[in-house]
Amino acid sequence: AQTVTQSQPEMSVQEAETVTLSCTYDTSESDYYLFWYKQPPSRQMILVIRQEAYKQQNATENRFSVNFQKAAKSFSLKISDSQLGDAAMYFCAYRRPLNSGNTPLVFGKGTRLSVIA
Amino acid sequence: EAGVVQSPRYKIIEKKQPVAFWCNPISGHNTLYWYRQNLGQGPELLIRYENEEAVDDSQLPKDRFSAERLKGVDSTLKIQPAELGDSAVYLCASSLELETDTQYFGPGTRLTVL
Repeated sequence: AQTVTQSQPEMSVQEAETVTLSCTYDTSESDYYLFWYKQPPSRQMILVIRQEAYKQQNATENRFSVNFQKAAKSFSLKISDSQLGDAAMYFCAYRRPLNSGNTPLVFGKGTRLSVIA
Repeated sequence: EAGVVQSPRYKIIEKKQPVAFWCNPISGHNTLYWYRQNLGQGPELLIRYENEEAVDDSQLPKDRFSAERLKGVDSTLKIQPAELGDSAVYLCASSLELETDTQYFGPGTRLTVL
């Protein structure tokens, strides 16, 4: 079974600085998808960024970028120019390809990010 | 475009009582998921629907949990009877189930069982 590990329960960053959240995963699949979701206190899970495993180029969405190391099974999230609104729980998630038949998201336990003004 | 809608947002019940949660997915999304999120954990899948068919319910505790998605749109998740350990946030998500598509989540229902 696939597992996702987030080794940092809590992180903090100064406003305008850069922070990196770690995520590793375990899978025997060669094709899959990786996600970072943000969950603010409102509880709504919001997609931050998505990476297809077959793509070598790291995904980027504005201030958010990933460092995808397929051989190491590592998928870290970098937040640049941190803002107060970035404070939330961040979850790393894994999904198998749709043709594998069973495609729920497998989540890590999350990292709570605090942004210090 | 409206997002995934869930109700109620909060529910407090006594143990052994029944409870039901409702989800309305994004219009046109044929796949619907129910997840349970325990405190301090990531969400875990309970059941997945493709249209009105439950295609993955292996993690659903069938002795007390049931779900339905009539007409392949709205869905209801029921617990009867509720136990103390059922206290959690119940999240609904939907997607188009295209290869590159993303699951979009609702705000969840926080259940407290006393």
